[in-house]
Amino acid sequence: GESVGLHLPTLSVQEGDNSIINCAYSNSASDYFIWYKQESGKGPQFIIDIRSNMDKRQGQRVTVLLNKTVKHLSLQIAATQPGDSAVYFCAENRGRRGGNKLTFGTGTQLKVEL
Amino acid sequence: EAGVVQSPRYKIIEKKQPVAFWCNPISGHNTLYWYRQNLGQGPELLIRYENEEAVDDSQLPKDRFSAERLKGVDSTLKIQPAELGDSAVYLCASSSGRGGVAGSEQFFGPGTRLTVL
Repeated sequence: GESVGLHLPTLSVQEGDNSIINCAYSNSASDYFIWYKQESGKGPQFIIDIRSNMDKRQGQRVTVLLNKTVKHLSLQIAATQPGDSAVYFCAENRGRRGGNKLTFGTGTQLKVEL
Repeated sequence: EAGVVQSPRYKIIEKKQPVAFWCNPISGHNTLYWYRQNLGQGPELLIRYENEEAVDDSQLPKDRFSAERLKGVDSTLKIQPAELGDSAVYLCASSSGRGGVAGSEQFFGPGTRLTVL
C-alpha cells in the first residue's frame, strides 16, 4: 500500500553540526509534506511544511527539500543543538480535499552528542 | 494561549474494562482529530471532527471504539471493552484551517498513554 517511510531509524550528530533527516514517500498524489518533532512524553510538534509544487522551503534553522522525481523529502537542521534531540516524523497531507488527513512515517531518532 | 489539553495522561486498566479519554482543543479550532500511536511508530488517524460532525471515522474500530464531540468543542474517545492490543498513546489534535502552506498545521496534545494488562 501507499506509505511514507524513513531511511534511518537513528541519527547521531555532534552539537553544532548540521543534521539531515531523510524520508521516502510513495504517494505521488500528496499535496503537502510536513515535518514533525516529537520529544519524549509529548505530542508531535509542527516544524515546517512544503507544498508539492515547491522544492525548497526554509524556516528558522530548518530547511525542507522535496524531490518529486525520486519521491524524497529531507529535513536539514543547521547548527544542531541538544534541544533538537527528538524523534522526527515526516507526514503527507492531501490538503483540504483530503480532510487534512496526515499519514505519518515511522520516525527517525535524532541524538545530539555534546 | 493554552494548547490542546488531554486527560488523563496515563491510564492502566485490565483487559475487558472500559476506558475513556478526554480532549479540549485550542480555542476556536473547529477541526479535532484523534490519533493512536504505537511504540516507535507515527500516529494513525482514528477519527476527524468538523465542529460536532464526525466527517472521517473510517479508521475507527467501531465494534469497541466510540467518540463524541457533542457541542463541537471538547471530545471524548471511549474503548469498551479494551483489549491488550489497544495499549498505545492516544493523541488529540486540533486545527483552525490556517497555518502552514495550506492551513495544514495541526496542534497535538501530550497524549494519553494507555496500558492494558
